[in-house]
Amino acid sequence: AQSVAQPEDQVNVAEGNPLTVKCTYSVSGNPYLFWYVQYPNRGLQFLLKYITGDNLVKGSYGFEAEFNKSQTSFHLKKPSALVSDSALYFCAVRDMRTGANNLFFGTGTRLTVIP
Amino acid sequence: GAVVSQHPSRVICKSGTSVKIECRSLDFQATTMFWYRQFPKKSLMLMATSNEGSKATYEQGVEKDKFLINHASLTLSTLTVTSAHPEDSSFYICSARDGAVGYTGELFFGEGSRLTVL
Repeated sequence: AQSVAQPEDQVNVAEGNPLTVKCTYSVSGNPYLFWYVQYPNRGLQFLLKYITGDNLVKGSYGFEAEFNKSQTSFHLKKPSALVSDSALYFCAVRDMRTGANNLFFGTGTRLTVIP
Repeated sequence: GAVVSQHPSRVICKSGTSVKIECRSLDFQATTMFWYRQFPKKSLMLMATSNEGSKATYEQGVEKDKFLINHASLTLSTLTVTSAHPEDSSFYICSARDGAVGYTGELFFGEGSRLTVL
């Protein structure tokens, strides 16, 4: 069975500092990995995905993520955090069950960027 | 990116009544839509997969008769919470994938519907 883990419920970072939100995965076969962001009482917005190719994936709003197969990780990063980046971030992996094409989500990490 | 519209964004109803939530893909066709439920400070739980023109596929533990799903067209899926009770109060989110992209494409999410059952 596939799953994703986000080990940190909360991440605090000062504005202007680099940020990292961690995600590890467990799948059989090649993973399809995604990052989404959720603002209060809103749906999820797509940030980036890894399907194949370059391990460093660049996405929306200056975010990027690095796929590391040996460590089964897909950490989200940004070189310089903004206060407006404060939100709930979800890592997700595609459901690999036969005939399924939804996503399984991690438990989410709340990012707070401190001015 | 593609737009998914979800309505209503908030609904308050009395216990025992039914509530319908609509999910529309505005600029793409979605043969498959997904309904999630999100509890406070929790992740999204997949409730069911909505298939255009056929029956929905429900996840284990989700009551089919309580959460009725209809996917009548390539751009509209509806979730009806029947005989709602306070424990059904939650944030419901729909999502869809552009059928032209295939299963490597990302999901696009609606803005969510907060249901409060009194």
